Amino acid sequence: DGGITQSPKYLFRKEGQNVTLSCEQNLNHDAMYWYRQDPGQGLRLIYYSQIVNDFQKGDIAEGYSVSREKKESFPLTVTSAQKNPTAFYLCASSRGQSLVKLFFGSGTQLSVL
Amino acid sequence: DQQVKQNSPSLSVQEGRISILNCDYTNSMFDYFLWYKKYPAEGPTFLISISSIKDKNEDGRFTVFLNKSAKHLSLHIVPSQPGDSAVYFCAASGGNYQLIWGAGTKLIIKP
Repeated sequence: DGGITQSPKYLFRKEGQNVTLSCEQNLNHDAMYWYRQDPGQGLRLIYYSQIVNDFQKGDIAEGYSVSREKKESFPLTVTSAQKNPTAFYLCASSRGQSLVKLFFGSGTQLSVL
Repeated sequence: DQQVKQNSPSLSVQEGRISILNCDYTNSMFDYFLWYKKYPAEGPTFLISISSIKDKNEDGRFTVFLNKSAKHLSLHIVPSQPGDSAVYFCAASGGNYQLIWGAGTKLIIKP
């Protein structure tokens, strides 16, 4: 079955540590996105990528980095510069520039130890 | 500055009755609106959308109404079923890659 796989489901970060969240899709979608969800708030865009080897910052990119070396993969690194990393992270993809149907993974809950 | 607001954090509805979820927005440049549904421990899934050139879009039990003058949209679910219990997100687009999301409304369908 086609879909988006995020791993791990739960992740703990120590102070000063960088952690990487994995996102893989086998939908052959061009565009991929990373969102952050905090309790009581809507999803906020961290980074997005429309094609391989290209990505753009979203509203809250500070403290995060991404890469898009393969069409299927869009990993997100939460760096030590991100002072408030505890949140639920969602990866999504869409075909071309379509915003109608974003396909989401099941998310990663990141917590700080 | 919340450009998309869902003012009801939760809503409880009897099974078989109508569920009405509301969403308000402030940016008149938004031209496309979407509703997503989210179950616990899963990512959101697309439910229904509406373009700003329409005032109504229907898909089975789900209907979205758009009132541009009031900058308000609503999602109607008729009849409500237990499987509709979920968090519903309203999102808006101004034509670029960015979707602006509301905080969500948790819908509880009572048997």
